[in-house]
Amino acid sequence: GAVVSQHPSRVICKSGTSVKIECRSLDFQATTMFWYRQFPKQSLMLMATSNEGSKATYEQGVEKDKFLINHASLTLSTLTVTSAHPEDSSFYICSASGQAYNSPLHFGNGTRLTVT
Amino acid sequence: GENVEQHPSTLSVQEGDSAVIKCTYSDSASNYFPWYKQELGKRPQLIIDIRSNVGEKKDQRIAVTLNKTAKHFSLHITETQPEDSAVYFCAARILTGGGNKLTFGTGTQLKVEL
Repeated sequence: GAVVSQHPSRVICKSGTSVKIECRSLDFQATTMFWYRQFPKQSLMLMATSNEGSKATYEQGVEKDKFLINHASLTLSTLTVTSAHPEDSSFYICSASGQAYNSPLHFGNGTRLTVT
Repeated sequence: GENVEQHPSTLSVQEGDSAVIKCTYSDSASNYFPWYKQELGKRPQLIIDIRSNVGEKKDQRIAVTLNKTAKHFSLHITETQPEDSAVYFCAARILTGGGNKLTFGTGTQLKVEL
């Protein structure tokens, strides 16, 4: 089955630093990738939608200058948390879908970010 | 945009009993409704899904029903087992055009007790 690889699985960083999270589709072309954030005991909240070769569309309340998304190829999207703060500590998870309108979504394994 | 509500937030059942989780959605254009099981610290796993042209779907101990008119759908787990304990999320999506986003419900913590 389709696989989405997400790295790193865990990262600890200091306040003020930036962290990059990668999401790769290993055996299919991911036309669209979605980035979610999940706080403890809460649901997955969509942060942004990225289409290959174009700018990401951010959900209301998500700062585009803080959460930089790049989707430069059909197999790779990256999320960079810039100038991270403790309140950015969360579980970040990507999902990817193929070109067909009814393509299923495949999730990465998630990244646990802790900002100290 | 789409809003998905889910109830209950927590559900405790005895092993062997049935569990039912209910969701409602707001956007009548939504036509795809998956259910996910998520264990702590892991990614959501698709367990069953239903499209709007179908009223019910079953896969072994798991079934989902959809009422388009009322805009609600439900997950039914029969003969529950301890390994069914997890957080379950419903979701809604519009399958028109490519890559439409998935909106998740608030989640249900299911605990199956021995």
